[in-house]
Amino acid sequence: GIQVEQSPPDLILQEGANSTLRCNFSDSVNNLQWFHQNPWGQLINLFYIPSGTKQNGRLSATTVATERYSLLYISSSQTTDSGVYFCAVATGNQFYFGTGTSLTVIP
Amino acid sequence: DAGVIQSPRHEVTEMGQEVTLRCKPISGHDYLFWYRQTMMRGLELLIYFNNNVPIDDSGMPEDRFSAKMPNASFSTLKIQPSEPRDSAVYFCACGAGANVLTFGAGSRLTVL
Repeated sequence: GIQVEQSPPDLILQEGANSTLRCNFSDSVNNLQWFHQNPWGQLINLFYIPSGTKQNGRLSATTVATERYSLLYISSSQTTDSGVYFCAVATGNQFYFGTGTSLTVIP
Repeated sequence: DAGVIQSPRHEVTEMGQEVTLRCKPISGHDYLFWYRQTMMRGLELLIYFNNNVPIDDSGMPEDRFSAKMPNASFSTLKIQPSEPRDSAVYFCACGAGANVLTFGAGSRLTVL
């Protein structure tokens, strides 16, 4: 299957700081999504972004499919941004998840 | 839309007992996925369905695991007999054309 590597594995931020999370994948994909798993365990879809750039409020994402990576930007971080961020990629309908970036935002 | 509904949210059972987890997907979503999440192995795909038909069950760990989707609005994941190493959070997710995945809240299983 496709290998998905996320970095950094852990991140601690002061509230208000910005951050960039990275997802590298080992093969061509036709689907890439970013998820946030909150401290209660709920997985929330943030972006469906197989290529290009999207923005949603303080979050934005960019995928460069030809170079096999995606970036998730979090600006002006808030304590509610804490949790684990997962990247998931798919070729066809088989999704592969990275091991996540655990983010802690401290007030 | 109530989203993806899973039940039970929590289950504690003893080794050897049968466990049945249930999922009601979002109406009109033709793909349904079952995932398992553990600290050691992360999120693993167990099986997925398209239009109620199992497409890939290669992630099902053992014959003790089985999954069915008798109609478009209901799926079950059964473990019989359960073992302590099956303790995990089991997620159901669905998608329309498998583009955007929507996850349920998960079922946390503890096998003693």
